[in-house]
Amino acid sequence: AQSVTQPDIHITVSEGASLELRCNYSYGATPYLFWYVQSPGQGLQLLLKYFSGDTLVQGIKGFEAEFKRSQSSFNLRKPSVHWSDAAEYFCAVASDSSYKLIFGSGTRLLVRP
Amino acid sequence: NAGVTQTPKFQVLKTGQSMTLQCAQDMNHNSMYWYRQDPGMGLRLIYYSASEGTTDKGEVPNGYNVSRLNKREFSLRLESAAPSQTSVYFCASLPQRNSYEQYFGPGTRLTVT
Repeated sequence: AQSVTQPDIHITVSEGASLELRCNYSYGATPYLFWYVQSPGQGLQLLLKYFSGDTLVQGIKGFEAEFKRSQSSFNLRKPSVHWSDAAEYFCAVASDSSYKLIFGSGTRLLVRP
Repeated sequence: NAGVTQTPKFQVLKTGQSMTLQCAQDMNHNSMYWYRQDPGMGLRLIYYSASEGTTDKGEVPNGYNVSRLNKREFSLRLESAAPSQTSVYFCASLPQRNSYEQYFGPGTRLTVT
């Protein structure tokens, strides 16, 4: 069965520091992978997605993610974090059988001034 | 273009009461979804509707019913609310079957006492 693991429940970084959020997936075929962000009290917004092709994908708000098939990972990165990036981040994989998303449990990002 | 809208934003119910959460999208999307979000568990799929006139169970359907009223609207009903249904509920829609990118509403925070 498909699954997504986000091993870090919370991460705290200083403003201006770099960020990497981890995501590991379990899926038999080539996965369709997503990162969503949820600001406090808001719905989910898509940051970026990977379907095929270049394994480094660029998203909105300066985020990027790299798909590594050998490690079953799709880690999210940002070179310099801003205070407005404080939010919860969800990694997800699409189920190709019915176009459903399987979500990880989320990583809450705290940004120190 | 309002995207995906949900009503109400907040609701408090007593155990055993019933209520319907409403969701509507104005993007002419085919598929619609209901998720619940609980701390540390990410988003879990309750029910989805791949197209108008069809509905299917997701990961956690017990205690819920849905109605795909037309292409725009997809409602979620709790017939007899239980404290375990205290959660934040999100509706989402998908434009077409090969896009995978779901668009989320702002959520309904439900408390059952």
